[in-house]
Amino acid sequence: GQNIDQPTEMTATEGAIVQINCTYQTSGFNGLFWYQQHAGEAPTFLSYNVLDGLEEKGRFSSFLSRSKGYSYLLLKELQMKDSASYLCAVRDGNYQLIWGAGTKLIIKP
Amino acid sequence: SAVISQKPSRDICQRGTSLTIQCQVDSQVTMMFWYRQQPGQSLTLIATANQGSEATYESGFVIDKFPISRPNLTFSTLTVSNMSPEDSSIYLCSVEEGATGANVLTFGAGSRLTVL
Repeated sequence: GQNIDQPTEMTATEGAIVQINCTYQTSGFNGLFWYQQHAGEAPTFLSYNVLDGLEEKGRFSSFLSRSKGYSYLLLKELQMKDSASYLCAVRDGNYQLIWGAGTKLIIKP
Repeated sequence: SAVISQKPSRDICQRGTSLTIQCQVDSQVTMMFWYRQQPGQSLTLIATANQGSEATYESGFVIDKFPISRPNLTFSTLTVSNMSPEDSSIYLCSVEEGATGANVLTFGAGSRLTVL
């Protein structure tokens, strides 16, 4: 079956760096997405990776290794507003989106 | 990106009743997607709504339980029928934008349903 694993919850300190990992096993691969979801709100798009390597977008970066079925989202200079759930999603060989359960990130002062 | 207006934002419903959720998009889109998000769980696709044809349902979801309308390219409704407490969840509509494969989903704000 198809599967996406990410940690359930992580805690980090304001101003620090945190890395949220995502591993996947899918039938085919057509890209990996990261979404941010604040409590009580809709998910919003953060990043997309389809080739191996690092994509940087301001304080957020996303890395992909297709051979390892692995991605991470790196958040730098953490701010209190970064407290949210981070969802990893993979588009499989049939272009279906497979979603992880999300990682709840708690930022402490 | 598209702006999606979804309502109701939340509701408390009695067992056995039905509720219709509406989504309005500010641009014309071919497909609209309906998701369910149960507490602490993944987003689960319920169905894909195409204008002018019947919705395509995912495994585990049936039209009798979740009838969908798609009368035009900017609007869709999802009805949760004969509700039970197990239907308590957040329901989200979404649309895709961008190039095939790299399509990004834009979501409505969600409808949080509690069934008593």
